[in-house]
Amino acid sequence: QVQLQEAGPGLVQPSETLSLTCTVSGGSVSIIQWSWIRQSPGERLEWIGYVHHDGSAQYSPSLKSRVTMSVDTFKNQVSLNLRSVSAADTAVYYCARGGWSLTHWGQGTQVTVAS
Amino acid sequence: EIVLTQSPGILSLSPGERAALSCRASQSVSNNYLAWYQHKPGQAPRLVMSDASRRATDIPDRFSGSGSGTDFTLTISRVEPEDFAVYYCHQYGGSLPYTFGQGTKLEV
Repeated sequence: QVQLQEAGPGLVQPSETLSLTCTVSGGSVSIIQWSWIRQSPGERLEWIGYVHHDGSAQYSPSLKSRVTMSVDTFKNQVSLNLRSVSAADTAVYYCARGGWSLTHWGQGTQVTVAS
Repeated sequence: EIVLTQSPGILSLSPGERAALSCRASQSVSNNYLAWYQHKPGQAPRLVMSDASRRATDIPDRFSGSGSGTDFTLTISRVEPEDFAVYYCHQYGGSLPYTFGQGTKLEV
C-alpha cells in the first residue's frame, strides 16, 4: 500500500523559501508523476503542479515563477520549493501520487508564513 | 481557468438514503477528465472516481459517477455511516491549471 508523508517547517518567514518533502513508502517514485496541492484557510484546494520522475514538471501559471519541484530517487522523496513566500502562501500542503487523477494522498502539513 | 462549482454546499441525509452530488464546470472538461475525492477530518483525501465514471480501487459499488462536458454527478445509492465526509471534484483535462471544486459536505 502506497503511503505518502509530507514534512517541513511549520513556520516560514515572509520572503523566504518554503521547502517541503514528501516521503513515499510502499512504492517507488521512479514511476508516474507526483503532485502538490494546497488549501488555504477558507479556500478551495489549489493545484500547485506535478513533477515526473525524470524531473520534467508542470506548474500552475499563477505560481510558476516561484515554484520548483523535484524527485530524489535515492531517498524515494518528492520535494517542493516555493520562493518569496507571503501570508497568502499559508496553507495545508499535500503531496499526491499522479499527475492527473490523484490515487494516493498524504495527510498534509500545515505551513504558516509569519514573522 | 476552468471553475468548478459544486452543489449543494451541504447535503444532510440519513444512512440508507440516496446522495447526488453535482459538479458543474465553467467550460467543457476534455475527455471527461474529472475525479472525485472523499476527505474526512484528520485523514488523507481518498480518490473515489476518476475519468468521471471509473471507480477507484476498493471503492464500493454503491458509488457511481456520471456526466460529461460540463455537468458531472457523484451518486451514492445508499449512504453508509462511513460515507459522511467532504467530497471534492477535480478536473485535469483542460489547460493548466487543473482545478478543484469548493466541496460538498455530506452530513447526517
